Amino acid sequence: EIVLTQSPATLSLSPGDRATLSCRASESISPYLVWYQQKPGQAPRLVIYDASKRASGIPARVSGSGSGADFTLTISSLEPEDSAIYYCQHRGSWPPEYTFGQGTKLEI
Amino acid sequence: QVQLVESGGGLVKPGGSLRLSCSASAFALSDSYVTWVRQAPGKGLEWISYISPSGSTIFSADSMKGRITISRDNAKNSVYLQVDSLRAEDTAVYFCSTEICTSGSCYLDPWGQGTLVTVSS
Repeated sequence: EIVLTQSPATLSLSPGDRATLSCRASESISPYLVWYQQKPGQAPRLVIYDASKRASGIPARVSGSGSGADFTLTISSLEPEDSAIYYCQHRGSWPPEYTFGQGTKLEI
Repeated sequence: QVQLVESGGGLVKPGGSLRLSCSASAFALSDSYVTWVRQAPGKGLEWISYISPSGSTIFSADSMKGRITISRDNAKNSVYLQVDSLRAEDTAVYFCSTEICTSGSCYLDPWGQGTLVTVSS
């Protein structure tokens, strides 16, 4: 079973800063890594898939990178609206089980 | 606009059962792999179960096997999650979502707004 570990648990930054969020898998999963954003009281929203491809409507200042077992979500020029919890996710080929990281809370 | 809507949540006593529904608007849910994910208050996301478009392939998390039944009625454009023998730790918002797979990842999009299940006496 793949385990995803996210760090840090909480990240407090100022508007205009750059945020770097990490997701480490217990074994190589490249490039099968996805990122979601979740704001309070809302459902998760797809941000990045295939480790580095932005979902529809996601601004270019948001990027994903990484390979093997180490992945990064980078958000530059932070805005207050970026405040949220970000989760990484992997789905095994078989069984089709979804695994989520424990989340990183980004505070702006 | 593509949208999923969950319903059926509420307050239930320990040991009780609930049947949650997931319906779709603006697209045919019958063509989609559908998953259920839950989120306990203040906690992270936990995948629960998965059903193929025809309903012939079903897979559920070990933590809930034996207590959940996922099913679908494509004529009603809906997917259902029956949860039995409810416990306090099942208190959570339950989300449904459709699965999309590329040549790389499989991911969940869109998501419904969720339905809250509270297990309490």
